Amino acid sequence: SQTIHQWPATLVQPVGSPLSLECTVEGTSNPNLYWYRQAAGRGLQLLFYSVGIGQISSEVPQNLSASRPQDRQFILSSKKLLLSDSGFYLCAWDLVGTEQYFGPGTRLTVT
Amino acid sequence: ELKVEQNPLFLSMQEGKNYTIYCDYSTTSDRLYWYRQDPGKSLESLFVLLSNGAVKQEGRLMASLDTKARLSTLHITAAVHDLSATYFCAVDGMELVFGKGTKLTVNP
Repeated sequence: SQTIHQWPATLVQPVGSPLSLECTVEGTSNPNLYWYRQAAGRGLQLLFYSVGIGQISSEVPQNLSASRPQDRQFILSSKKLLLSDSGFYLCAWDLVGTEQYFGPGTRLTVT
Repeated sequence: ELKVEQNPLFLSMQEGKNYTIYCDYSTTSDRLYWYRQDPGKSLESLFVLLSNGAVKQEGRLMASLDTKARLSTLHITAAVHDLSATYFCAVDGMELVFGKGTKLTVNP
């Protein structure tokens, strides 16, 4: 069966520090991968999606970036965090025509 | 551009009562999903609706899809406290577009 992992689960970082969040999927090949952000009490904002290795589409211009170095690995990064980057970051995967499956999430607090 | 509207955004109801959450969307699609999110947790898939007239039921929840009206409903029957959560609908267009969520609180 398929499993999606995210780490770390929680993170507290100072403003201006770098960020790296990782997402990995097991049990499937060539998934579409997504990064979402959810601010407190808000809906989901799609940040990036990827249909294959090295292929990244950005939905919202900001100081975040994403990379997909391997088929089932998706990384969210920042060189310098802002206070507004705080939130709950969710990674998700799907295949063409299927529902999206979400990882457990990373709660990021920028102080 | 696909837009998805949920209402109500907040719903407080008593145990044992029935209620419906609505999900309207702006452009043609025949794929719609309902998710549940508990506080501090990730999203859990509830229902996948893939065609006009599709109806799915799980316990006290029933979801339906009317693609001609561009409307999906999530009906809650005889609510219990365990159903308290935020419910999202998501419509499959060029990408998956989520509604803002309905925060449901079921009071004893």
